[in-house]
Amino acid sequence: DAKTTQPPSMDCAEGRAANLPCNHSTISGNEYVYWYRQIHSQGPQYIIHGLKNNETNEMASLIITEDRKSSTLILPHATLRDTAVYYCIVRSLDTGRRALTFGSGTRLQVQP
Amino acid sequence: ETGVTQSPTHLIKTRGQQVTLRCSSQSGHNTVSWYQQALGQGPQFIFQYYREEENGRGNFPPRFSGLQFPNYSSELNVNALELDDSALYLCASSPKGERLATEAFFGQGTRLTVV
Repeated sequence: DAKTTQPPSMDCAEGRAANLPCNHSTISGNEYVYWYRQIHSQGPQYIIHGLKNNETNEMASLIITEDRKSSTLILPHATLRDTAVYYCIVRSLDTGRRALTFGSGTRLQVQP
Repeated sequence: ETGVTQSPTHLIKTRGQQVTLRCSSQSGHNTVSWYQQALGQGPQFIFQYYREEENGRGNFPPRFSGLQFPNYSSELNVNALELDDSALYLCASSPKGERLATEAFFGQGTRLTVV
């Protein structure tokens, strides 16, 4: 699976949009971009995933660049409960390679 | 909150002992994966089970083994425990379909401490 690069930490003011970047310059055509987050001492929580089109759900929006080499996760109105480590993961659907490869993620601190 | 449940939540074992961790997958999910998360690091893939057979393995020694049962629940067994095995062990289940871009749902994990 392609490697991802994320900033180690970010701050965001409560109520403002949080924009979390991710670089995945070696992504291949059959690899999806997934985002998970992990609140302290809990299991990772699925947020959103996409292949090449922008995606939106009730939690967040995912913007993938046209060349697919980077993406941005957007939390439109961050709250204190969004404080967590956010992981950007590139995942192949090839049989036998369906594991999620977690990096170090971005620690997002939402400030009151 | 997901329907993936893990037991026990916490466990303390002595070096050299054996441990079994359990996971009940979410209803309708037939794929279960196990991850190890050391303190301050991201989860690392151990192995995955699909329809009761191992379907992919990470860089973990053979003393890490697993089972999946007909009801899709799963066990992770670790023999000859080492101090470095102290970690949060996470189970994740996925819906049916090998080639669908499905999400994995994680349990809350089992915190294993080896002393």
